[in-house]
Amino acid sequence: SQQGEEDPQALSIQEGENATMNCSYKTSINNLQWYRQNSGRGLVHLILIRSNEREKHSGRLRVTLDTSKKSSSLLITASRAADTASYFCATAPYSSNTGKLIFGQGTTLQVKP
Amino acid sequence: NAGVTQTPKFRVLKTGQSMTLLCAQDMNHEYMYWYRQDPGMGLRLIHYSVGEGTTAKGEVPDGYNVSRLKKQNFLLGLESAAPSQTSVYFCASSYSGGNSGANVLTFGAGSRLTVL
Repeated sequence: SQQGEEDPQALSIQEGENATMNCSYKTSINNLQWYRQNSGRGLVHLILIRSNEREKHSGRLRVTLDTSKKSSSLLITASRAADTASYFCATAPYSSNTGKLIFGQGTTLQVKP
Repeated sequence: NAGVTQTPKFRVLKTGQSMTLLCAQDMNHEYMYWYRQDPGMGLRLIHYSVGEGTTAKGEVPDGYNVSRLKKQNFLLGLESAAPSQTSVYFCASSYSGGNSGANVLTFGAGSRLTVL
């Protein structure tokens, strides 16, 4: 079964607005990662947050992690049309050292110019 | 560097036919993975390998076999294709599986398989 559940499934905003995507998971984790997928392409890693971290920034990306609520959010600030893509959270289960990641179903983001 | 290369990119099979998807990485990564992506299902892990000569089952292994004879290659085989295996297949690799961040995945561009 899927570890991560993402919300919303789809999001449409205007260029310049902020986009927030949420991810919930079920079991303890080592880390949580966010990936981006442009239409018809492979996934690309965006950012990783460890279980002992609460917030992380990378450029226009801000990720938060609340392990007590088993949830994470990805904020993209000042969105651009080029940010149009699907975004996936992926969790590394705490008990696993195999590197396996369990992916959520993704949020499809459309940024209108 | 090419990263992760998957071949073929597209393939159409008839039910019962067999085929092999090839994944090659040039990053000296130890770990390799095969995922499938279906609409509304996200990515699901089929099989994975934690090193040359090793393989293990993932979440949805039935109907697939894998081999990792060389560190840089990870092959996914369908012995008798079924329409339920119509999907987009992604290969990925990582340096290792630890919590240090080394389990960041590098993905290939995907292989779209249709089984009629």
